[in-house]
Parts: sequence; structure tokens; C-alpha cells
Amino acid sequence: AQTVTQSQPEMSVQEAETVTLSCTYDTSESDYYLFWYKQPPSRQMILVIRQEAYKQQNATENRFSVNFQKAAKSFSLKISDSQLGDAAMYFCAFSGSEKLVFGKGTKLTVNP
Amino acid sequence: EAGVVQSPRYKIIEKKQPVAFWCNPISGHNTLYWYRQNLGQGPELLIRYENEEAVDDSQLPKDRFSAERLKGVDSTLKIQPAELGDSAVYLCASSYGTGNEQYFGPGTRLTVT
Repeated sequence: AQTVTQSQPEMSVQEAETVTLSCTYDTSESDYYLFWYKQPPSRQMILVIRQEAYKQQNATENRFSVNFQKAAKSFSLKISDSQLGDAAMYFCAFSGSEKLVFGKGTKLTVNP
Repeated sequence: EAGVVQSPRYKIIEKKQPVAFWCNPISGHNTLYWYRQNLGQGPELLIRYENEEAVDDSQLPKDRFSAERLKGVDSTLKIQPAELGDSAVYLCASSYGTGNEQYFGPGTRLTVT
């Protein structure tokens, strides 16, 4: 079974600074997708960024980028120029041939 | 484009009572998911539908939980009878196919007293 591990229960960053959230996963599959979702206190889960495992190029979406290391099974999220609105729970998720599996999340606090 | 719609947003019931949640997915999304999210945890899949067929219900506690997706669009999730441990947020999500990004609704926060 696939597992997703987020080793940082909480992180904090100063506004305008950069922060990296860690995620590792375990799978025997070679073809899969990885996602980062953001869940603000309002609870609506929002997709931040997506990475296909067959793509070597790291995905980017404006201020959000990933560092995908397939051999190491690592998928970290970098948030540049952090904004107050980035404060939320961030979930790393894996999707292979079966269901979408989430990590336990990292709570990000942005300090003004 | 309207997102995934869920109702109610909040529900408080006494244990042993029944409760039902409703979900309307994004138009055109054939795959629908129900998740349970406990406090401080990530969502856990309860059931996945492809059109009107439940293709993965391995994590659904079938003694008290049931779900249906008539006509392959809207879906309802029911708990009968509810237990204290069922208190959680119940999230509905939809996608076009499996493996693509899922779009989540706002969830229903259930409190069982």
C-alpha cells in the first residue's frame, strides 16, 4: 500500500520569505501523480500544484514550485514570496492505480 | 463554473440517530469520492464512484454507512445509526477520470453527541 509522510507538523515563515514543505512517499508503482493541496481554515481543499511522475521537469505554478526526486521518492513544495493568504494546512497526496492517499498535513503560519 | 456543492455544511445529532449528506459534483465529472477527515488528519477515502458504480468501497464501514449515486450525478452518504466516533468532516470530491486532480467541496462537519 502507498504511504505519504509529511514530517513537519507545523512550519512558520515571515511574509515575503521562502519556505519549503517536505513530503516523502512509498510506492512500487512507476506511473503515478503527486499533488499538493491547500486547506485554509474555511476547510475547502484547493489544488496547489500537480506533478506527473513521468515528467522530469519540476512543476511550477506562479509562486509555488516543487522539487520532485523520483529515485528518493521525495516531493517538496517551495513557496516563494510568502503571503498572509498562504497560511493554511498543506497536504501532500499520491495517486497511483488505486486511491488518492494523503499525508497528515503541515500547518503553515505566515508571520507579518 | 460551479464547484462541488455539499449540504448541509454543519450537522449536530445525537448518537444512534441517522444522518445523510448530499453532494453535487462538477458537471461532466464522472468520478465522485467521499472522504472522512478527522481533526488534524488528512482525508481518508470512504468510497469512489465511476459514474453510478461504486468501484472502491473497501474503507466504507458497511454495517452503518451506505452511499448511492443514482444516475451517475448527485450522491448521498448515509450513516445509521451514528456513533460518537463518526464526528468528523465529510468531504465530497469529483474528477474527470481517475488519476486526475480532484476538486473538493466545502465539506460537512458532523458532530455526534
